Amino acid sequence: EADIYQTPRYLVIGTGKKITLECSQTMGHDKMYWYQQDPGMELHLIHYSYGVNSTEKGDLSSESTVSRIRTEHFPLTLESARPSHTSQYLCASSDWTGRAGNTIYFGEGSWLTVV
Amino acid sequence: GEDVEQSLFLSVREGDSSVINCTYTDSSSTYLYWYKQEPGAGLQLLTYIFSNMDMKQDQRLTVLLNKKDKHLSLRIADTQTGDSAIYFCAESTGGFKTIFGAGTRLFVKA
Repeated sequence: EADIYQTPRYLVIGTGKKITLECSQTMGHDKMYWYQQDPGMELHLIHYSYGVNSTEKGDLSSESTVSRIRTEHFPLTLESARPSHTSQYLCASSDWTGRAGNTIYFGEGSWLTVV
Repeated sequence: GEDVEQSLFLSVREGDSSVINCTYTDSSSTYLYWYKQEPGAGLQLLTYIFSNMDMKQDQRLTVLLNKKDKHLSLRIADTQTGDSAIYFCAESTGGFKTIFGAGTRLFVKA
């Protein structure tokens, strides 16, 4: 069972506000990810990290930024939220094992609505 | 390039078996995964299979892998209404890279 936590779970904010979505994992995984997913739709990788001080952009361009100062923590920040940012944001982590490969474990998601 | 494809929808009657199919393109895939996503939640790992295996069974779930055709399937026996969800197939070729399909929406009719 994975231990990865996201806060807030649900957030409604006004256009132009700054928002940080928090993500923490207690498994000591090196790799962490942020995916964006519209309701019932496919996943889009927007950011990932190989470890502390490593951050990379994913396949889908995003106006958000991330940081990785500690292994367990991978926050995502939107400096100025817009209605087009309304979506579910899923944080995940993984580590390579010979038994199960690069198994990715997901948090419960943060639902962001920008009005 | 790497790609994972799934049919978008599947509808079955309660008590029947469900078979969700997936095809992948990367022949170097080493692990293949099935995830379940219920409404409003994250993805939950259901099961995985190593590429040197043909089949894996776990209670009501059976995973079949045809490496020659790069085809993966998930069979759910005695499907229940609680199995209604989106099922994602994923492949991993090593390192950080795991590619997800677009998900199959399973509807279970009572």
